Amino acid sequence: GAGVSQSPRYKVAKRGQDVALRCDPISGHVSLFWYQQALGQGPEFLTYFQNEAQLDKSGLPSDRFFAERPEGSVSTLKIQRTQQEDSAVYLCASIMNTEAFFGQGTRLTVV
Amino acid sequence: RKEVEQDPGPFNVPEGATVAFNCTYSNSASQSFFWYRQDCRKEPKLLMSVYSSGNEDGRFTAQLNRASQYISLLIRDSKLSDSATYLCVVPLYNTDKLIFGTGTRLQVFP
Repeated sequence: GAGVSQSPRYKVAKRGQDVALRCDPISGHVSLFWYQQALGQGPEFLTYFQNEAQLDKSGLPSDRFFAERPEGSVSTLKIQRTQQEDSAVYLCASIMNTEAFFGQGTRLTVV
Repeated sequence: RKEVEQDPGPFNVPEGATVAFNCTYSNSASQSFFWYRQDCRKEPKLLMSVYSSGNEDGRFTAQLNRASQYISLLIRDSKLSDSATYLCVVPLYNTDKLIFGTGTRLQVFP
């Protein structure tokens, strides 16, 4: 595809439910990032992959958050037992030549 | 101190005005800096890169002050379409990891 694709665009989850957010980066981009953006805030780093290797997961807020990129392309961010404070937009970005290309994000609302 | 800090605004300016935003960063070893633009409910997109003393692109000028550890973005002759949030971005030294500021919201009115 021409850009970074994320799905679903919107997700409403009941508290305690598990969710999986998908990111399809630009073909050939080695680096992939996940960010969390709360309303009125800038994107906050969650985790980072180079190919299939997860190099940094220091931004994951708790052990309920898990990310993978098994074949170095598509990545999935999984949130277990969702809480209301997990409500945010989750942005995926792939990087080429220092420029980050973002997907449109998944807006997660936990009710 | 946060790694990247910005005044959240909002900055409300009339069309044609000149407006400037500052961003401070904490790591003196940082080498490259970026301004991203984010429209409401959209994803951030690269506006400008700042690698040395500054960069100019049409009505937009970005400057770097290493001694005081801040970068600025100047917008001349503001247009209604400039209304957006401007995010200051600093890569963590020697990595691809981008650290974002909270963003400065600009509203240009007729």
